[in-house]
Amino acid sequence: EVQLVESGGGLVQPGGSLLLSCVGSGFTFSNFAMHWFRQAPGKGLEYVSTFSSYGGSTFYANSVRGRFTISRDDSKSTLYLQMGSLRTEDTAVYYCARDPCGNYCSPDYWGQGTLVTVSS
Amino acid sequence: DVVMTQSPLSLPVTLGQPASISCWSSQSLVYSDGNTYLNWFLQRPGQSPRRLIYKISNRDSGVPDRFSGSGSGTDFTLKISRVEAEDVGIYYCMQGSHWPLTFGGGTKVEIK
Repeated sequence: EVQLVESGGGLVQPGGSLLLSCVGSGFTFSNFAMHWFRQAPGKGLEYVSTFSSYGGSTFYANSVRGRFTISRDDSKSTLYLQMGSLRTEDTAVYYCARDPCGNYCSPDYWGQGTLVTVSS
Repeated sequence: DVVMTQSPLSLPVTLGQPASISCWSSQSLVYSDGNTYLNWFLQRPGQSPRRLIYKISNRDSGVPDRFSGSGSGTDFTLKISRVEAEDVGIYYCMQGSHWPLTFGGGTKVEIK
């Protein structure tokens, strides 16, 4: 059974940092591109970042570029999102998702999400 | 960025009756490999999104055949032939043909 489990969310002050993790199981992690998406309270889904399954390409939404860093450790089947210079508008549930395409096309399985709250 | 627009915003449906959701993209979703990466997701209350349909019309494993997707280019539709109670939630279309991935604003399906 495919599973994705996020962790690392919590309450952080504006300007602070947070490291999110996503552990995958039930599939060969290295064969899939991996994404981070987010959903602000009561709002829709928003793309955040992608780490490709080959070549090490990374992609970022304009809203987080330069502040967030995506990485992955295939030996640990884990995806990371290092979040810095956090703003109140980054408050959201953050989801990781796998994608069968090399870069992006159609995320098929999503984790349960981890809540990040940026507030003073 | 490709803008995805959904209609309606809210869809009250009687159990057993059909439902239809429309999704339009601001540019063609036909990718260079010939595929059209238009996906549909359902987010039930308190849950994470679940993919229902990929590449316009392909149902994911375990998705009931009362769900069907159609369309081409920039216009797409998700249909539920007979709505059941478990179909309640917010439906999102999402394009994966152009970076960045973008979502429609969502359609909330509820039972009358």
